[in-house]
Amino acid sequence: DIQMTQSPSSLSASVGDRVTITCRASQGISNYLAWFQQKPGQAPKSLIYAASSLQSGVPSKFSGSASGTDFTLTISSLQPDDFATYFCQQYYTYPPTFGQGTRLDIK
Amino acid sequence: QVQLVESGGGLGKPGGSLRLSCAASGFTFSDYWMSWIRQSPGKGLEWVSYISGSGGDTKLYADSVKGRFTISRDNAKNSLSLQMNSLRAEDTAVYYCARVGTLAQAGTVDFWGQGTLVAVSS
Repeated sequence: DIQMTQSPSSLSASVGDRVTITCRASQGISNYLAWFQQKPGQAPKSLIYAASSLQSGVPSKFSGSASGTDFTLTISSLQPDDFATYFCQQYYTYPPTFGQGTRLDIK
Repeated sequence: QVQLVESGGGLGKPGGSLRLSCAASGFTFSDYWMSWIRQSPGKGLEWVSYISGSGGDTKLYADSVKGRFTISRDNAKNSLSLQMNSLRAEDTAVYYCARVGTLAQAGTVDFWGQGTLVAVSS
């Protein structure tokens, strides 16, 4: 199975900050990479697919990029609603696999 | 709007069975592959099973549940199910019903249900 490693595992930031979360695949996955946001007690929400395409309704403050087997999720101008856990997931090969998550807390 | 509502979770005994259901609305159910994904504190998010749209002819399972879990769908009732047999403690998790995207999203999720908790304990 392809391993997805996220870094950092946790991150503290302030309202208004810009943050970047990284996800590394253990082998090439082309751009078959998705990002999800999950708030406590809620289901995950789909943010980005194909490494950089925003899901319908997701604000443009969220962006994704890829470089080889490294993928990044950038969130600009953090607002209180953005503090959550973020997961990446590869869907290049079966089984799809998830990163372990990055918890974004308010500093 | 798209809605996925799971039911059927609860307490199951090791070696026992549970059946999860998911009621879908707001989209043409038969046009989409569907999936079950679970989340536990110890193992994070884990893909459990896929089923193809239309006739549901293609079914894929994680190795951890193969031979014990069965996914099925009833397109007439817009319903997805997961029959869970020979339950183990490690099956304890929140189980999410999820719609699989199309085109560039084929293979990943575009909508998630709210989840149903399955706890396996004697």
